[in-house]
Amino acid sequence: AQSVSQHNHHVILSEAASLELGCNYSYGGTVNLFWYVQYPGQHLQLLLKYFSGDPLVKGIKGFEAEFIKSKFSFNLRKPSVQWSDTAEYFCAVNANTDKLIFGTGTRLQVFP
Amino acid sequence: DVKVTQSSRYLVKRTGEKVFLECVQDMDHENMFWYRQDPGLGLRLIYFSYDVKMKEKGDIPEGYSVSREKKERFSLILESASTNQTSMYLCASRDRARDGYTFGSGTRLTVV
Repeated sequence: AQSVSQHNHHVILSEAASLELGCNYSYGGTVNLFWYVQYPGQHLQLLLKYFSGDPLVKGIKGFEAEFIKSKFSFNLRKPSVQWSDTAEYFCAVNANTDKLIFGTGTRLQVFP
Repeated sequence: DVKVTQSSRYLVKRTGEKVFLECVQDMDHENMFWYRQDPGLGLRLIYFSYDVKMKEKGDIPEGYSVSREKKERFSLILESASTNQTSMYLCASRDRARDGYTFGSGTRLTVV
């Protein structure tokens, strides 16, 4: 069965610090990978997604993620975070099925 | 933009009540999903539907059922609500061609 692991449950950073959130999945075949963000009190929004091609994917709000097939990873990065990036971040995988499987989420707090 | 509308933002129900959570999408998507979101557990798939009258169990279907009589509407039913079903429920719709998922704003259900 597919599964997604997000090892960082809670990350606290100061503004301008760099961010990297880990995501690993367990599925040996072709996968589609997603990062979603949920700002406090709001619905889930897509940050970026990877289907094929360039493994470095750029998303909205300065986020990017790198797909490393050999490591089954799809880590999210941002070079300089802002207070407005405070949110919960979810990695998700779709492995040639209709189902989108989520990780447990990472809560990011950014302090000014 | 695709819109996924969940009829209630907040619900409070008593233990043993039958509860209906409604979800409507306006873009003729074939796939629709119900997730529940709990702190530290992320989003877990309850049920999904890949067409009218077609449904498939997700990872945590126990205590729930679903109904998809029309393409635009996907209902989640709690036959006899229990306190451990207190949660945030999220509906999603999927554009198969683009493999894009759109989420509703969620229904926060409290069972007392």
